[in-house]
Amino acid sequence: DVKVTQSSRYLVKRTGEKVFLECVQDMDHENMFWYRQDPGLGLRLIYFSYDVKMKEKGDIPEGYSVSREKKERFSLILESASTNQTSMYLCASRQGATSSGNTIYFGEGSWLTVV
Amino acid sequence: DQQVKQNSPSLSVQEGRISILNCDYTNSMFDYFLWYKKYPAEGPTFLISISSIKDKNEDGRFTVFLNKSAKHLSLHIVPSQPGDSAVYFCAASAFGIQGAQKLVFGQGTRLTINP
Repeated sequence: DVKVTQSSRYLVKRTGEKVFLECVQDMDHENMFWYRQDPGLGLRLIYFSYDVKMKEKGDIPEGYSVSREKKERFSLILESASTNQTSMYLCASRQGATSSGNTIYFGEGSWLTVV
Repeated sequence: DQQVKQNSPSLSVQEGRISILNCDYTNSMFDYFLWYKKYPAEGPTFLISISSIKDKNEDGRFTVFLNKSAKHLSLHIVPSQPGDSAVYFCAASAFGIQGAQKLVFGQGTRLTINP
């Protein structure tokens, strides 16, 4: 079974703090993703990476950056956390897209509260 | 610009009856569609998918129908069970265009199955 592990389930951070959300997958997947989920807005893509050291902006990249130094690990960084970044963050991975039909597998999510 | 829309934020169905969840999309380049199910405080899990070359895919109690001319898909669950109560996300992907490796999600529909 594919396992996508997000290191922190619940975090509370102060405004202006730098926040790191870590994600590891164990299936040697090429593609990794960071989404955030907010009520009424669904899952919105922040950044994705299609290979090591490769990254592309998603739909809402402002205020975020990412790092993919190793294939199995994809980190989301909030350089200076703000209250509007309070959300549930979901990491996901997928085998390289030889077709668009490869399933995405999600981690359990990280609840971030910025106060 | 919401490319994938789930216009019903919630749906309530009696146990044993059919649940029908709807999804509309605008991008004609989408060629693969997926449904995900999400329980509170957990990551989404893959449920069923359909390629644009088909109009129906069935897996046990779950059937997805695709109407390409209307840019509409639906998920049928029959018979509905209490454990089906969750938020359901529709997602679409396209291969071969810029950013093709990302999945675009709808806003989600909260399904409640009443005993």
